[in-house]
Amino acid sequence: DGGITQSPKYLFRKEGQNVTLSCEQNLNHDAMYWYRQDPGQGLRLIYYSQIVNDFQKGDIAEGYSVSREKKESFPLTVTSAQKNPTAFYLCASNGVGPEPQHFGDGTRLSIL
Amino acid sequence: KNEVEQSPQNLTAQEGEFITINCSYSVGISALHWLQQHPGGGIVSLFMLSSGKKKHGRLIATINIQEKHSSLHITASHPRDSAVYICAVLTHWGTGNQFYFGTGTSLTVIP
Repeated sequence: DGGITQSPKYLFRKEGQNVTLSCEQNLNHDAMYWYRQDPGQGLRLIYYSQIVNDFQKGDIAEGYSVSREKKESFPLTVTSAQKNPTAFYLCASNGVGPEPQHFGDGTRLSIL
Repeated sequence: KNEVEQSPQNLTAQEGEFITINCSYSVGISALHWLQQHPGGGIVSLFMLSSGKKKHGRLIATINIQEKHSSLHITASHPRDSAVYICAVLTHWGTGNQFYFGTGTSLTVIP
């Protein structure tokens, strides 16, 4: 079955450390997204990519970086510049047109 | 001000009850989605609406474009319906879909 795979499910970051969250999809979708979810808030867009080798900042891109070297993969790096990284991170994708997004199961990032 | 407002924030129901979750939005939309987030965090899409009403099993979603309002109804609720339900509006598509998300309604159905 096609879907989105995020890994790891839980991740811990030390002070000053960069960590990378993985997102892989086999749905042949062009567009991929990273969202951050905090308690009591709606999902907020970090970055999105419509096509390989291209990506755009979302509403809260500071302290994060992404790459899109392959259609299937859209990893997110949480850098040491992100001072409040503790959150639940969700990756999503969709095909062409106004269709629903498909979501991964998320990665929960915590600070050690 | 959030572009998407949901009510209630939390809802507890007895098994078998009829449940309604409301969503109001303040932006022009191409479509509205209802999402279900399971306790483990994974999200699945339940409905995509641009007008009228859709039904899938015990779930019914309606939208009133003029009033900028949508409702999600669950008939004969069951404990397995316990989840967070999220309303999301699609405001733009073609150059990367732009979604705005509500904060979710946490539903607990008691046996």
